[in-house]
Amino acid sequence: AQSVSQHNHHVILSEAASLELGCNYSYGGTVNLFWYVQYPGQHLQLLLKYFSGDPLVKGIKGFEAEFIKSKFSFNLRKPSVQWSDTAEYFCAVTRSSGSARQLTFGSGTQLTVLP
Amino acid sequence: DAGITQSPRYKITETGRQVTLMCHQTWSHSYMFWYRQDLGHGLRLIYYSAAADITDKGEVPDGYVVSRSKTENFPLTLESATRSQTSVYFCASSVPGGNYGYTFGSGTRLTVV
Repeated sequence: AQSVSQHNHHVILSEAASLELGCNYSYGGTVNLFWYVQYPGQHLQLLLKYFSGDPLVKGIKGFEAEFIKSKFSFNLRKPSVQWSDTAEYFCAVTRSSGSARQLTFGSGTQLTVLP
Repeated sequence: DAGITQSPRYKITETGRQVTLMCHQTWSHSYMFWYRQDLGHGLRLIYYSAAADITDKGEVPDGYVVSRSKTENFPLTLESATRSQTSVYFCASSVPGGNYGYTFGSGTRLTVV
């Protein structure tokens, strides 16, 4: 079974600082990768996803992520964070083959951006 | 996203009671999922369904029952609620393969006292 590790449980940044959130997965086969964001009191929203092709994926709100297959990583980045980026961020993975494509989530990273 | 609706938004129930959480989607997505969200654990899969009348266990199925008689509905029942089932429950749906991502409902916050 696949698993996902998010190394940073809580990250605190000042506005305009650069962001990188780590995500590593364990699964020997081909995977699809996702980053979701959860704003306080809200449901999960898709930030970006990787299925194939260019390993550098651009998502909404200026976020991007890079898939590095050799490192089993899919780190999320943003060059300059805003106060409104305060939220919890989840990395998730599914297998690329097979009929059951349930998402496996990491434990999440709480990002706090100070004004 | 109005296409997937969960009810109720909040529920308080007593230990030992049966409670059902509802999930309804309007996109005719074949796949539906139930997750629970707990601090430090992220989201963990309880049950999922590939189509009407097809369900399967996820990572943490014990104490839960699901059914899917219609494509659009996927209720989750706690047969005899325990305090350890206090959590936020999210329903999600997707097309086969999940190529368009997975869409989540707004969640149900359940407290078992």
